Amino acid sequence: EVQLVQSGGGLVQPGGSLRLSCAASGFTFRNLWMSWARQTPEKGLEWVASINEDGGEKYYVDSVKGRFTVSRDNAKNSLFLQMDNLGADDTAVYYCAKGAHFDNWGQGTLVTVSS
Amino acid sequence: DVVMTQSPLSLPVILGQPASISCRSSQSLVHSGGGTYLNWFQQRPGQSPRRLIYQVSYRDSGVPDRFSGSGSGTDFTLKISRVEAEDVGDYYCMQATHWPPWTFGQGTKVVI
Repeated sequence: EVQLVQSGGGLVQPGGSLRLSCAASGFTFRNLWMSWARQTPEKGLEWVASINEDGGEKYYVDSVKGRFTVSRDNAKNSLFLQMDNLGADDTAVYYCAKGAHFDNWGQGTLVTVSS
Repeated sequence: DVVMTQSPLSLPVILGQPASISCRSSQSLVHSGGGTYLNWFQQRPGQSPRRLIYQVSYRDSGVPDRFSGSGSGTDFTLKISRVEAEDVGDYYCMQATHWPPWTFGQGTKVVI
């Protein structure tokens, strides 16, 4: 059974940083792209970042380029999203997802950027 | 960027009756390799999204056969043949042909 278990998130002040993690199991992690998406009531679902199998290709939505970094540890079946210089517009529920076609999703983690 | 437009945004349904959601893309979703990468997701209240349909019409494992996807080019449809109470929630289309970025529709809320 595919499982994506997320951790990290929480309340952070504007300009602060957070690191999200996603622990994968039930599939061959090292063979698949992985992705991050986020959701707000105002904007709905938004793709945030994707990374290829070996981490050599990374793609980001324009609004997070230069601030967010997606990475992975294939030895530990883990996906990460380092979020720096956070702003109020980054407040959202963040999801990790299996593949570039979002086959399966994690449980989501709330990130709140507020002073 | 490819813009995905869903309609309606809210869909009142009657249990046991059919329902249909439309999704239109701002450009053709036919990939140069021949595939069409249009997915549908269901998000029940309080839950994470779950993929129902991939590549326009292929149902994911465990998805009831009352859900079907169809369409081509820029026009796509998700149909529920007979709505059940558990189908209440939000439905999103997403294109994975022209990336980055991967883009989602605004969502359709199915209510009874």
